[in-house]
Amino acid sequence: EDKVVQSPLSLVVHEGDTVTLNCSYEVTNFRSLLWYKQEKKAPTFLFMLTSSGIEKKSGRLSSILDKKELFSILNITATQTGDSAIYLCAVEIPRAGGTSYGKLTFGQGTILTVHP
Amino acid sequence: DGGITQSPKYLFRKEGQNVTLSCEQNLNHDAMYWYRQDPGQGLRLIYYSQIVNDFQKGDIAEGYSVSREKKESFPLTVTSAQKNPTAFYLCATVGWTDGSEGYTFGSGTRLTVV
Repeated sequence: EDKVVQSPLSLVVHEGDTVTLNCSYEVTNFRSLLWYKQEKKAPTFLFMLTSSGIEKKSGRLSSILDKKELFSILNITATQTGDSAIYLCAVEIPRAGGTSYGKLTFGQGTILTVHP
Repeated sequence: DGGITQSPKYLFRKEGQNVTLSCEQNLNHDAMYWYRQDPGQGLRLIYYSQIVNDFQKGDIAEGYSVSREKKESFPLTVTSAQKNPTAFYLCATVGWTDGSEGYTFGSGTRLTVV
């Protein structure tokens, strides 16, 4: 059974802190790992990772994938109250044959709360 | 504007009733998905469709049904057989948009059983 596990499940920090969110996975087949931020409704895309060891950065956010140890981390530096959200990790599992889009299997999410 | 439209935003259902959630897209994407999200949790896959007239069960398909008669539309019916239907339902597509490939989510429908 494909499984994606995120930790911690919730996290409370103060503005200016740095946080690290974890995502580990065990899947039958792997195409990519994606991170999303969800504030109220639709998740918004943050990063797509396909190769090990290559850090992706966007402002104060960064993420890296380790395909040998089957995990990814999402770092947020100098947190702000606007970073409060659910952070979702998902693994894209291709269909047999890998010629068409597969499905996303999500972790439980990490609820991040940033206090002023 | 290209995107995904889910309707209604909020839906109330009496126990024993079937309800249908709408998902329409004008992104010309082939693949469409339905996910369910319970409070404070991640998304779980209900059904997905790669092409018109074809769909597959996801991880929690029991009590749900779908159809894919048109590329633009992928409605989800929550039947009376779904024992705990109160949840947030998200529709998604995947394909090329503005030069990059990725998943696009709708704004969701919040279903409450009363």
